[in-house]
Amino acid sequence: EPEVTQTPSHQVTQMGQEVILRCVPISNHLYFYWYRQILGQKVEFLVSFYNNEISEKSEIFDDQFSVERPDGSNFTLKIRSTKLEDSAMYFCASRGGNEQFFGPGTRLTVL
Amino acid sequence: SQQGEEDPQALSIQEGENATMNCSYKTSINNLQWYRQNSGRGLVHLILIRSNEREKHSGRLRVTLDTSKKSSSLLITASRAADTASYFCATALYNFNKFYFGSGTKLNVKP
Repeated sequence: EPEVTQTPSHQVTQMGQEVILRCVPISNHLYFYWYRQILGQKVEFLVSFYNNEISEKSEIFDDQFSVERPDGSNFTLKIRSTKLEDSAMYFCASRGGNEQFFGPGTRLTVL
Repeated sequence: SQQGEEDPQALSIQEGENATMNCSYKTSINNLQWYRQNSGRGLVHLILIRSNEREKHSGRLRVTLDTSKKSSSLLITASRAADTASYFCATALYNFNKFYFGSGTKLNVKP
């Protein structure tokens, strides 16, 4: 069964460093999303992406964040200068029809 | 805010009992989806109910939707210890560009 994959599963970084989180959506899906979940809190929408551009973004998704689909398979989230409060699980999702399919997440720890 | 809210926040039951979780939201939606999240893991899609549907079944899951009250419920019948997880509702607006998650119900099924 096709699934969304994410790498790495865990990323540890120093405050101020750049990180790139990678996702491979389900191959025939056209809509892509990033969410984050701070430990013990709700899942928060960050950004949606379609046709090589951002469809919608939340107030969390400020200038420190960017997304890219560099080739036909990968979908990346870049955080330019990480802050302590960026520590969270980051989930990628893709959608073909009405349902979103989520990846297993990347745990980002900012020290 | 569109965000859904689940109640109860936590639910502890014995194996074999039924578990009911509720979700409320604030604005018009296209559909509402329920997800399960095991501790520290990704989100697993359980069931989707469209705004023109009132009830849907999938195995031991039964979902209802009352758009006049802007609420939904998820019933898990004959619960098992393996059902122990957090359950989230997510609402999609008509353009599907953004999904809002509730705070979740943490279900503990005791063997």
